[in-house]
Amino acid sequence: SAVISQKPSRDICQRGTSLTIQCQVDSQVTMMFWYRQQPGQSLTLIATANQGSEATYESGFVIDKFPISRPNLTFSTLTVSNMSPEDSSIYLCSVVGQGSDYGYTFGSGTRLTVV
Amino acid sequence: QQPVQSPQAVILREGEDAVINCSSSKALYSVHWYRQKHGEAPVFLMILLKGGEQKGHEKISASFNEKKQQSSLYLTASQLSYSGTYFCGAKSNDYKLSFGAGTTVTVRA
Repeated sequence: SAVISQKPSRDICQRGTSLTIQCQVDSQVTMMFWYRQQPGQSLTLIATANQGSEATYESGFVIDKFPISRPNLTFSTLTVSNMSPEDSSIYLCSVVGQGSDYGYTFGSGTRLTVV
Repeated sequence: QQPVQSPQAVILREGEDAVINCSSSKALYSVHWYRQKHGEAPVFLMILLKGGEQKGHEKISASFNEKKQQSSLYLTASQLSYSGTYFCGAKSNDYKLSFGAGTTVTVRA
C-alpha cells in the first residue's frame, strides 16, 4: 500500500490566519481525498483532488475556505483559510490503494488548534 | 449519506466475541472496515465487494449482505490489540467513501 507523508503533524494558529497542509505520496495516485475528523467523531469528506482539474467539494465545504492544489500525481495541499476556533480539528489526506482490495491509506493527520 | 453503525461502544474481556453492524439506506457497491487507535490514522482492515461475501483479518472477519445493504464485523476471541474505534465505510456507485459514526471497542485483560 502507498505511504503518505503529511505535514505538519500539529499546529496552533491564530484566528484569521491560514494554514497549508501538505501530503506527499510515495507512488502516483489518481485521486487524493481530504477528510476532517472532529475529536471523537467520524471522518467527513471535505473534497476530492484530481490532478489537472479543480477539486470536487462536498456539501458544506467551499473552495474559498478550503482551497486545494494538486500539481502532480504524488502531491496535494489543503489550505484552511481565515481560520476560526470552529476549524479546530484533525485533517487527514487519503489515497485509494492500488490492487484488488482498493483500501484507503491515510496520512498521519494534522491536528489543528485555532485560538 | 452516512451509514449507520451500532453499537456505539462495546467493552470486552480478552477472549470474548463482539459484532459491529453497519447499514446503509443507499445501494452499496462495497463496504470497507477500518480501525483507528487513539492519536493515530485509521488503518484499513478489509473490503467486501460481493453480496454474502465474508473475509477475514487475523481473527476479525466480516460479512456483507448486498440485498439488505448491511455489513457486520466479527471480533472473535478478542485480544488487547483489538482495542480502538472501528469505522465502516460505505461506497455507492461513485468513488466516495462515507464513514459511519464509529464503534469504540475496549478489550480488558
